Amino acid sequence: GAVVSQHPSWVICKSGTSVKIECRSLDFQATTMFWYRQFPKQSLMLMATSNEGSKATYEQGVEKDKFLINHASLTLSTLTVTSAHPEDSSFYICSARDSGTAYGYTFGSGTRLTVV
Amino acid sequence: KNEVEQSPQNLTAQEGEFITINCSYSVGISALHWLQQHPGGGIVSLFMLSSGKKKHGRLIATINIQEKHSSLHITASHPRDSAVYICAVKVGNEKLTFGTGTRLTIIP
Repeated sequence: GAVVSQHPSWVICKSGTSVKIECRSLDFQATTMFWYRQFPKQSLMLMATSNEGSKATYEQGVEKDKFLINHASLTLSTLTVTSAHPEDSSFYICSARDSGTAYGYTFGSGTRLTVV
Repeated sequence: KNEVEQSPQNLTAQEGEFITINCSYSVGISALHWLQQHPGGGIVSLFMLSSGKKKHGRLIATINIQEKHSSLHITASHPRDSAVYICAVKVGNEKLTFGTGTRLTIIP
């Protein structure tokens, strides 16, 4: 079945540094990728929608200069958390729109970011 | 008020019990999804529904569009079913709106 590979699965970084999270669609072309953030015991919140070859669309309240999204190819989308702060510590997960599956969406395994 | 409400928030049951998780939504939708989130955080799609009923193994999902309600049932529950089950709805375009999830624990 469709697989989205997300890396890293967890990362610890110092305040002020940047962290890049990658999501790759392994056996299908992901024209649209969704990036979510999830705080403990809360539901997933959409951060942005990226389409291959165009600028990402950010949800209200999400800083586009802080959360840089690049979707340069049909199989790779990246989220870079710039100048990370402890309040950015969260679980980040991507999801690709895949019309070839019965479910319509395939999720990555998530990245747990801890900023110290 | 969240557009997607799930109940119960937490559910603990004995192995073998029949499990029901409910999802109510307040807007018109084009599809409803049931997802399973494992303790490590990974999410697996279980069902995508726009009407009626779907079955996959021991899992059954139903939706009533008129009542804006969906249920996820698990028959012969097993400890490996322990996870957070999330209901999500698609409204119009491709965005999903998620419920807060139901934490299911099956005791051997």
